[in-house]
Amino acid sequence: TQLLEQSPQFLSIQEGENLTVYCNSSSVFSSLQWYRQEPGEGPVLLVTVVTGGEVKKLKRLTFQFGDARKDSSLHITAAQPGDTGLYLCAGAAGSARQLTFGSGTQLTVLP
Amino acid sequence: GAVVSQHPSWVICKSGTSVKIECRSLDFQATTMFWYRQFPKQSLMLMATSNEGSKATYEQGVEKDKFLINHASLTLSTLTVTSAHPEDSSFYICSAESGTGFTDTQYFGPGTRLTVL
Repeated sequence: TQLLEQSPQFLSIQEGENLTVYCNSSSVFSSLQWYRQEPGEGPVLLVTVVTGGEVKKLKRLTFQFGDARKDSSLHITAAQPGDTGLYLCAGAAGSARQLTFGSGTQLTVLP
Repeated sequence: GAVVSQHPSWVICKSGTSVKIECRSLDFQATTMFWYRQFPKQSLMLMATSNEGSKATYEQGVEKDKFLINHASLTLSTLTVTSAHPEDSSFYICSAESGTGFTDTQYFGPGTRLTVL
């Protein structure tokens, strides 16, 4: 069973601050995805990373996949209240299509 | 593109009744759909993988006789919670897979809030 641990579990910051969310596992993943979910809604895909060491940028969000494809991070620069939400990482192992979701990070950005 | 819908968005039922939740891929065909449940403040837990035209594959600990899944077409999968009890109250989310490669993307529905009284 692949497990994905996210940290921190909760994060409350002021608008304009930077933050990093971590997603760690002892298992290797063929791909890893980051989602953002708002209350009462389904997760929305932010990015997919597949290559060890890969870095992807999406405006103020920077995603990195670890060299060994066991961990990933999400860095947000100059956070805004609109970034508030539950951030989830999810990995797929080998050829399996099932996703294992991380424990989630609840981010609150205060104005 | 790649829109997934769920119906209903919320449902309240009495204990002992059955509830059917529909998951549709609106603008693409999905050979595979997935069903998740999510408790408040928690992450998504995969319940089952639904393949069009075949039996669903359930995750360990998920009762297949209680959570009936039917994937009758490439755009529709249904989850029926049979003889629902208060402990079945949860947020049920489906996803549909687009593509056939190992980097396929799962597109998620908006979820269905089930409350069993």
